[in-house]
Amino acid sequence: GAVVSQHPSRVICKSGTSVKIECRSLDFQATTMFWYRQFPKKSLMLMATSNEGSKATYEQGVEKDKFLINHASLTLSTLTVTSAHPEDSSFYICSAAPGEGRYEQYFGPGTRLTVT
Amino acid sequence: GNSVTQMEGPVTLSEEAFLTINCTYTATGYPSLFWYVQYPGEGLQLLLKATKADDKGSNKGFEATYRKETTSFHLEKGSVQVSDSAVYFCALSKAGGSQGNLIFGKGTKLSVKP
Repeated sequence: GAVVSQHPSRVICKSGTSVKIECRSLDFQATTMFWYRQFPKKSLMLMATSNEGSKATYEQGVEKDKFLINHASLTLSTLTVTSAHPEDSSFYICSAAPGEGRYEQYFGPGTRLTVT
Repeated sequence: GNSVTQMEGPVTLSEEAFLTINCTYTATGYPSLFWYVQYPGEGLQLLLKATKADDKGSNKGFEATYRKETTSFHLEKGSVQVSDSAVYFCALSKAGGSQGNLIFGKGTKLSVKP
């Protein structure tokens, strides 16, 4: 149980275009979803926290107009990288928390974004 | 602020060797502590956790004890297997812990040779 999927697993896009990444909790309802960015040989950096039906809370230094997050249902959150540039190339990971006193986060397998 | 420091990798061991991956933390309040494992090509999985001082988390032969006096949560396994090869992340949740945002260490890559 507690499976989280991400789609796509890999995406290559041209500079200036937008890319949408989906995060789904497959067998539980996630009141909160988190988006992380993982740099090579570095830790995961929390980008934003989203609660279903409300606006995402962004970490300091993360541009909310560039990284659009939508958490429209209890099983789906999307991250859209708008007007992507090569420096946005990274590994993006989402996680989902069931809530109701359960504080574990369940992680998706990640999405490798390459901007050319 | 809150932070997690874990030993630099990579760590290379022979099968059946003893494993220790050091993790220390800085935090206000009483955080919960976690070890996550990331196998090649997969997402992070919770390996074990401890929510208060002196708690010992254990799973799949791995153990870690929440030491408040030394602000540490070192990961140990008595006899590693090739299948344990992965990247291990130490993490803490901010005070409160409920759906808390996780703060991760940089990860330690473990390679176990047959």
